[in-house]
Amino acid sequence: QKEVEQDPGPLSVPEGAIVSLNCTYSNSAFQYFMWYRQYSRKGPELLMYTYSSGNKEDGRFTAQVDKSSKYISLFIRDSQPSDSATYLCAMRRNDYKLSFGAGTTVTVRA
Amino acid sequence: DAGVIQSPRHEVTEMGQEVTLRCKPISGHDYLFWYRQTMMRGLELLIYFNNNVPIDDSGMPEDRFSAKMPNASFSTLKIQPSEPRDSAVYFCASSAGPNNRDIQYFGAGTRLSVL
Repeated sequence: QKEVEQDPGPLSVPEGAIVSLNCTYSNSAFQYFMWYRQYSRKGPELLMYTYSSGNKEDGRFTAQVDKSSKYISLFIRDSQPSDSATYLCAMRRNDYKLSFGAGTTVTVRA
Repeated sequence: DAGVIQSPRHEVTEMGQEVTLRCKPISGHDYLFWYRQTMMRGLELLIYFNNNVPIDDSGMPEDRFSAKMPNASFSTLKIQPSEPRDSAVYFCASSAGPNNRDIQYFGAGTRLSVL
């Protein structure tokens, strides 16, 4: 079993819809949680990061962490075609090693 | 700043050849990471450096892989000899730690094909 599980999708939604992405993890030592966005043929870029359970909002993006369930989510409101990308969850313990999910490919249809 | 710069962007080589990938981190960043991305295994950390010193190389798959960071502005990842299963996209990332350790800036990657 992988440490971080993420459904690779693909996920296709109409413009304006809410995109819901999630990851589960098995290691309770993970303390820090991130979401990266990766456009085709590009490197990942950090989108959101959270260090505790609860919600964090940034514009159209909301990240949720539930440590008791070992479950994290990313919501994208009012999705745009420019949001079409692969979204990777990432997490780490008290070191610098990030463990990534497989990534979910999202397409927002105009 | 130009961001993390990787070269070459694409590399096609034959099995058994030596391959050298290069990375220039963002100026002032003291952490440098090498990742490999494949469809099967996703994004995997190979090795990371702090202040030019390798800290954790447990992700390096085999002795055929080696990485160096001779100074703060340059790192290499070498594969010798290369094999077809090494075909992947290799990313370099850097960050300014320790308070910004999670904000890793990735380069555009080197797409390696070993024939």
